Amino acid sequence: GENVEQHPSTLSVQEGDSAVIKCTYSDSASNYFPWYKQELGKGPQLIIDIRSNVGEKKDQRIAVTLNKTAKHFSLHITETQPEDSAVYFCAASSVGYSTLTFGKGTMLLVSP
Amino acid sequence: EAQVTQNPRYLITVTGKKLTVTCSQNMNHEYMSWYRQDPGLGLRQIYYSMNVEVTDKGDVPEGYKVSRKEKRNFPLILESPSPNQTSLYFCASSRGQGNQPQHFGDGTRLSIL
Repeated sequence: GENVEQHPSTLSVQEGDSAVIKCTYSDSASNYFPWYKQELGKGPQLIIDIRSNVGEKKDQRIAVTLNKTAKHFSLHITETQPEDSAVYFCAASSVGYSTLTFGKGTMLLVSP
Repeated sequence: EAQVTQNPRYLITVTGKKLTVTCSQNMNHEYMSWYRQDPGLGLRQIYYSMNVEVTDKGDVPEGYKVSRKEKRNFPLILESPSPNQTSLYFCASSRGQGNQPQHFGDGTRLSIL
């Protein structure tokens, strides 16, 4: 089955800095890579996703890049704000697969 | 408002006492799933359902049961709970299969004493 590794497990940045979270996956057939943000006491919420026919996707301050050859994808957050503080999860899924495999999460702390 | 609703949000119970966590979605989604979240382990899938009367095991199904008699509901059943099932549980739903954006409930924190 799929295996997703996520790094770092914790990340502290100053407000206004950029943050990068990286994930690798094992199944070359995986073609869907979402990122979720989980705030305290809430369920994970989708913030951005990318499919394997695209190398990069942006949504305002958030971007995701995908390198299919190396089997890794990354989340980039620019101009971080305190409200970006949360746990972020990457995940991977394949066509025909009925499961979404998650990384272990990254706790991002943005200090004012 | 599109949402996934779980009940209860918190439960403390004792070993061996059967319990059910309900999950309901109002988006007419075909796919529903249960996950458990444990510190350092991330989210792990327990069971999923592709549609009514269609369910299958995820990565950690031992000790759990599910049913999908109606499209909107997907209850998680612990027939004989044990302390190692103490965890934070999430229900999620999506259109199509698991390779679609999933909408999560706000979680159910279970403590099994």
